[in-house]
Amino acid sequence: GQQLNQSPQSMFIQEGEDVSMNCTSSSIFNTWLWYKQDPGEGPVLLIALYKAGELTSNGRLTAQFGITRKDSFLNISASIPSDVGIYFCAGLVRGSQGNLIFGKGTKLSVKP
Amino acid sequence: NAGVTQTPKFRILKIGQSMTLQCAQDMNHNYMYWYRQDPGMGLKLIYYSVGAGITDKGEVPNGYNVSRSTTEDFPLRLELAAPSQTSVYFCASRTLSNPYEQYFGPGTRLTVT
Repeated sequence: GQQLNQSPQSMFIQEGEDVSMNCTSSSIFNTWLWYKQDPGEGPVLLIALYKAGELTSNGRLTAQFGITRKDSFLNISASIPSDVGIYFCAGLVRGSQGNLIFGKGTKLSVKP
Repeated sequence: NAGVTQTPKFRILKIGQSMTLQCAQDMNHNYMYWYRQDPGMGLKLIYYSVGAGITDKGEVPNGYNVSRSTTEDFPLRLELAAPSQTSVYFCASRTLSNPYEQYFGPGTRLTVT
């Protein structure tokens, strides 16, 4: 079945540093999504990518849809303490009625 | 708008007990979902519903049941709780037209001992 592999699993960074994380799959996805989960909360959609090669920004966040359609990247510039949380990539399950499959997440910790 | 609400926030069950996790949304969304999130893992889909009266199994439905008698409510039932069902449960909903943005509730943390 379709699977999403996220890396790294966790990151500890200093405030102000840039962050990069990625998501790969052996299957092709037509849409890539990035969600963020704050501690004790449900995930919230950050960015949606619809086309191979697409680069989309949301404030300090930038995400790219890989050309092969099998990967996606999320970058956070100039990290701040409120960036702490778990970042999930997600894709639409093929043949479903819009069901999503989620990666295992990248846990980000930011030291002030 | 309250969005997606879930009750209770925390619960401890003994093995074999039953309980219902409540989920409600006030956004008139057609689609609703139940996920479980185990430590260090992503979200796994348990059940989903495309509208009142229609439900379907997700990836990990065993040990759970759902019903959808109204657009607003989508309760998840555990009949015979097992330690393997210790997890954080999230309910989500979305509109008919946008399959990408699911709105999540705050979660229910369930421990079965």
